[in-house]
Amino acid sequence: GQNIDQPTEMTATEGAIVQINCTYQTSGFNGLFWYQQHAGEAPTFLSYNVLDGLEEKGRFSSFLSRSKGYSYLLLKELQMKDSASYLCAVRDTGSGAGSYQLTFGKGTKLSVIP
Amino acid sequence: DAGITQSPRHKVTETGTPVTLRCHQTENHRYMYWYRQDPGHGLRLIHYSYGVKDTDKGEVSDGYSVSRSKTEDFLLTLESATSSQTSVYFCAIRPAYTSYNEQFFGPGTRLTVL
Repeated sequence: GQNIDQPTEMTATEGAIVQINCTYQTSGFNGLFWYQQHAGEAPTFLSYNVLDGLEEKGRFSSFLSRSKGYSYLLLKELQMKDSASYLCAVRDTGSGAGSYQLTFGKGTKLSVIP
Repeated sequence: DAGITQSPRHKVTETGTPVTLRCHQTENHRYMYWYRQDPGHGLRLIHYSYGVKDTDKGEVSDGYSVSRSKTEDFLLTLESATSSQTSVYFCAIRPAYTSYNEQFFGPGTRLTVL
């Protein structure tokens, strides 16, 4: 099984940098995803890590340490539109049809204030 | 937009009535998923499908059944709705052509069981 923890809420100031952490304990690991979800909308894919290290994509970066069961999402130059929930999800190592299943954390609600 | 629609988008029903939610995709993706999202729980997998007539249970399948008689439609049925099934239901697909095998989500159905 999977256990994924993220902070429930965070607040940050426009223009600043914020780091959203995710820790996981899993029976198998085959990658970690970050999704963004604005209120009342569907989750949208942000980033993917399967090897240790940092992946950068514009203002967003995601880091993974497999030995520590730890990831973070880094948002730079925060904008008001970044106010959303950020979901951490771990993919397991199941075989056949059961593979590629995702287990989601409860999400971190980020509020960006002026 | 991965060509996913869900219907209805909103539904209010009474305890004990049957309810069917529809997920429709236009790109012949093999893998389709049903999730529910509740405050304090995050996204949880109900059932998934890996082809026509091929389905399997997820983490929270009790009280739900699914059917997939053609590639483009994945139906979720609540045989006898209960108030605990009040939730937002998301359908997702997993294309075979993406780099990370990420999932893409439909717009969601908000179901209220009175």
